[in-house]
Amino acid sequence: EAGVAQSPRYKIIEKRQSVAFWCNPISGHATLYWYQQILGQGPKLLIQFQNNGVVDDSQLPKDRFSAERLKGVDSTLKIQPAKLEDSAVYLCASRGPKAFFGPGTRLTVL
Amino acid sequence: GQQLNQSPQSMFIQEGEDVSMNCTSSSIFNTWLWYKQDPGEGPVLLIALYKAGELTSNGRLTAQFGITRKDSFLNISASIPSDVGIYFCAGQPYSGGGADGLTFGKGTHLIIQP
Repeated sequence: EAGVAQSPRYKIIEKRQSVAFWCNPISGHATLYWYQQILGQGPKLLIQFQNNGVVDDSQLPKDRFSAERLKGVDSTLKIQPAKLEDSAVYLCASRGPKAFFGPGTRLTVL
Repeated sequence: GQQLNQSPQSMFIQEGEDVSMNCTSSSIFNTWLWYKQDPGEGPVLLIALYKAGELTSNGRLTAQFGITRKDSFLNISASIPSDVGIYFCAGQPYSGGGADGLTFGKGTHLIIQP
């Protein structure tokens, strides 16, 4: 069974630029999550989707972050414009009976 | 938001020693989970606990869901070099409304000296 795929694995941008991350969940998993993991911290939930609908986005900084899952499968997370404090690993997870995490995208904002 | 207090922050042990780490919360969780994260990878689930008082083992790992539903511990017996990594506790709320994202602790960094 293929795992959760994420791309790119690494991204370096300058502050005020835009960036997008992509996630392909495990086939058949209706629930998808995006987490932000700052260095030295545990992951923090940003948004949860059930199929193509948002279940929880209470911790998503909506002034600069957006996410979509238009067809209920792949998802993209966008940051526009990026700030220095957005430097982190962005993890995607999908859940069937159990949740599995992707390898993450490491974002560095200079 | 909710926070989980995980301790210790790091552990330096000798190979073969037993390891114990714990997690406490100010809020009740419906499920407690323990994950391990290796560098450059996402967290991998080790043990999931679903009932207060539950004690569950997975090989050399044993974890318990506290009676108060506000704490959990993880023990690793007879540590080996591949146990090196960062261990995270995570709590999952009751998901009656569908929102069941995890709240993570800050992690315990396990370092094993040969």
